[in-house]
Amino acid sequence: QQQVKQSPQSLIVQKGGIPIINCAYENTAFDYFPWYQQFPGKGPALLIAIRPDVSEKKEGRFTISFNKSAKQFSLHIMDSQPGDSATYFCAASIKGGSQGNLIFGKGTKLSVKP
Amino acid sequence: NAGVTQTPKFRVLKTGQSMTLLCAQDMNHEYMYWYRQDPGMGLRLIHYSVGEGTTAKGEVPDGYNVSRLKKQNFLLGLESAAPSQTSVYFCASSRGLISSGYTFGSGTRLTVV
Repeated sequence: QQQVKQSPQSLIVQKGGIPIINCAYENTAFDYFPWYQQFPGKGPALLIAIRPDVSEKKEGRFTISFNKSAKQFSLHIMDSQPGDSATYFCAASIKGGSQGNLIFGKGTKLSVKP
Repeated sequence: NAGVTQTPKFRVLKTGQSMTLLCAQDMNHEYMYWYRQDPGMGLRLIHYSVGEGTTAKGEVPDGYNVSRLKKQNFLLGLESAAPSQTSVYFCASSRGLISSGYTFGSGTRLTVV
């Protein structure tokens, strides 16, 4: 019940394409759903996050879609660029993960071809 | 404006040796965390701290110990390293509020031979 299942494991798109990464969860107590972006040799960095009271959030070319009834959320990257090539992690937490409960998906390695 | 700093960045240990990984944050964050990252396994929580002088176990705590003697520092210790502890270790900190994100360090790549 504490798991966050992420798919696909890897993804290759052409420049300008719209990669979509999906995540699913079981624990209905989760109240915060962030996405992290990690470049090789670096630590993950917060990209965008959503609360369950909204169905969509956009920040620049990145959009989170949230389906509370299906317990699923996804990341869309509009007009993807080679610089977006990175590993993306979805996550879920209760109360900001302050009790060590920020649970990460296993990650999606995205490659955007020129 | 360093954020979260981890030392060392790389280390090779022999089986049975001990070492301490240091994490320092300058954001006055209350909460700190140690994760390990392994291929195909994502990020798994080892230990965390909700404040100075406190520590708690995460998902994979066996073989590790931690201490938080000062608010800005969080130490991860390996008493007797094993090859299974070969991994990339990340420290993170947060304010612990509902919508606060985690700030991660750049990682320590540890190899146990």
